[in-house]
Amino acid sequence: DQQVKQNSPSLSVQEGRISILNCDYTNSMFDYFLWYKKYPAEGPTFLISISSIKDKNEDGRFTVFLNKSAKHLSLHIVPSQPGDSAVYFCAASGWGGATNKLIFGTGTLLAVQP
Amino acid sequence: KAGVTQTPRYLIKTRGQQVTLSCSPISGHRSVSWYQQTPGQGLQFLFEYFSETQRNKGNFPGRFSGRQFSNSRSEMNVSTLELGDSALYLCASSLGGRGYEQYFGPGTRLTVT
Repeated sequence: DQQVKQNSPSLSVQEGRISILNCDYTNSMFDYFLWYKKYPAEGPTFLISISSIKDKNEDGRFTVFLNKSAKHLSLHIVPSQPGDSAVYFCAASGWGGATNKLIFGTGTLLAVQP
Repeated sequence: KAGVTQTPRYLIKTRGQQVTLSCSPISGHRSVSWYQQTPGQGLQFLFEYFSETQRNKGNFPGRFSGRQFSNSRSEMNVSTLELGDSALYLCASSLGGRGYEQYFGPGTRLTVT
């Protein structure tokens, strides 16, 4: 049962344009969401997070939007740069207890074309 | 501030052997979690330790175990290795409470032959 889903395995955008990566979840207990960027054979790099009490969080070129009613979040990267090319994972936590367990989506490979 | 470190970075073992992987969290972080990444299953949670106590455990067989020391460093052990245990093992640390970001190390690439 995939509780966190990234339905687009890959995305290609032109440099300077907006990249929009999407993520859906099924567990209404989730209350904290994170986005990570990952290069092959390296650990994920934390990008941005959002708590369920918010619907938007910005950090530089990265903005995460959360739609709780639709159980959907998205990551916007503006403007996209070739160095942003990587696999992006969304992750969720919130189990009603004291744990940092994360459930990850399957990832979206972003390719930013120069 | 130094990031999360994991040793060794690469490891080749034979079926039936056991292996121990080590993780040093970011200074001041008390929570350490372990994840397994494989092409077929993606990133999956193994277990989390906080203040030397296992706080949560994923759906992995008992061959996978871990521990945390008083300085927050953590080790995970896999006994009786199987070919399917070949994966990238990632360690992540955070301050400990909920709602804090987790920072990952570079991982240990384990190959079982």
